[in-house]
Amino acid sequence: AQSVTQPDIHITVSEGASLELRCNYSYGATPYLFWYVQSPGQGLQLLLKYFSGDTLVQGIKGFEAEFKRSQSSFNLRKPSVHWSDAAEYFCAVGGHGGSYIPTFGRGTSLIVHP
Amino acid sequence: EADIYQTPRYLVIGTGKKITLECSQTMGHDKMYWYQQDPGMELHLIHYSYGVNSTEKGDLSSESTVSRIRTEHFPLTLESARPSHTSQYLCASSDEAGRGSHGYTFGSGTRLTVV
Repeated sequence: AQSVTQPDIHITVSEGASLELRCNYSYGATPYLFWYVQSPGQGLQLLLKYFSGDTLVQGIKGFEAEFKRSQSSFNLRKPSVHWSDAAEYFCAVGGHGGSYIPTFGRGTSLIVHP
Repeated sequence: EADIYQTPRYLVIGTGKKITLECSQTMGHDKMYWYQQDPGMELHLIHYSYGVNSTEKGDLSSESTVSRIRTEHFPLTLESARPSHTSQYLCASSDEAGRGSHGYTFGSGTRLTVV
């Protein structure tokens, strides 16, 4: 069965600092991987996704993520965080091979200090 | 523009009432999903559908029911609301495994409060 682990429940950074949110997955084949952002009281917005090819993926709002098969990781990064980036971030692995149901991590809450 | 719509955005209702949360998508996606999420918490899959007339229960036991009579419409119904149903309900849709440009696309959610 596929699973996603986001080991950090909360991350606090200062505005302008760099950011890395961790995501580890368990999946038997090449995974489809996603990062989503959720502002309070809102739905989830897709930041970026990886299916195949270049392992460094660029997304919206200046985010990028790198797929590392050897580490079963798909960490999200941003070189300089803005106060508006404060939100909940979810990593997900997409189901396929008969099941299309995605599996989400429990989320990481990003707090940005001025 | 492709999108997914949920109504109402907020609902406060008394115990024992029947309610239907609406979800519609314009992308022609076969796959649709309902998630329940408490504030700041993880998503729990409560129902999903692979297409018209196909519905399945998810990982989290729920007293709600769903229907899928049309591709674009996936309403969720609570026959008798209880305070334990107070939560945010998120609807999502996708093509196969989220391979489309929008991945798994989410609505803005319905915040339900049962008093």
